[in-house]
Amino acid sequence: GIQVEQSPPDLILQEGANSTLRCNFSDSVNNLQWFHQNPWGQLINLFYIPSGTKQNGRLSATTVATERYSLLYISSSQTTDSGVYFCAVRGGGSQGNLIFGKGTKLSVKP
Amino acid sequence: GAVVSQHPSRVICKSGTSVKIECRSLDFQATTMFWYRQFPKQSLMLMATSNEGSKATYEQGVEKDKFLINHASLTLSTLTVTSAHPEDSSFYICSATTGNSPLHFGNGTRLTVT
Repeated sequence: GIQVEQSPPDLILQEGANSTLRCNFSDSVNNLQWFHQNPWGQLINLFYIPSGTKQNGRLSATTVATERYSLLYISSSQTTDSGVYFCAVRGGGSQGNLIFGKGTKLSVKP
Repeated sequence: GAVVSQHPSRVICKSGTSVKIECRSLDFQATTMFWYRQFPKQSLMLMATSNEGSKATYEQGVEKDKFLINHASLTLSTLTVTSAHPEDSSFYICSATTGNSPLHFGNGTRLTVT
């Protein structure tokens, strides 16, 4: 099956700093989503981005499907950005389920 | 739109009892629902895929007789953990989709078996 690798596994930032999270995947995909999991476990859907670039406030994402990677940019980070960020993909041969990476744990310090 | 409601959010049960978790798509009809499990500090792992009116498809290593899944309608799927044991304690999350579209997730159920 498709392998999803996220980097870095852990990231500590000072409030106000910018960061880039990376997601590499091993095969072509027809769906890629970025999620933020808050301390209560809730998965917040950040982007549905199988290709191209999208922006939502301080967050933006770019997926280069031909090169099998996606990037999540967080600008002017805030303490509320802390949590785990997951990249998840769906391959063409799947039943529609997403395969998750191991996540990047982000800690933003005041 | 695309809201998935999962209930209960938290449950504590005694070893040997059964627990039912409900997953509802509130404003769309979900052709397929997925059940994931997440252990502490780990990623989400797919347990099973359920399609309305048919038997669920379980991932390798997931006991179908222990984790009973029923997808009786296009808006409701249930996961029943039968004869729960402490090692079943985990965070269970459902998701739903209408097809080749984004997956929408419930808020999860934290199960603690004592």
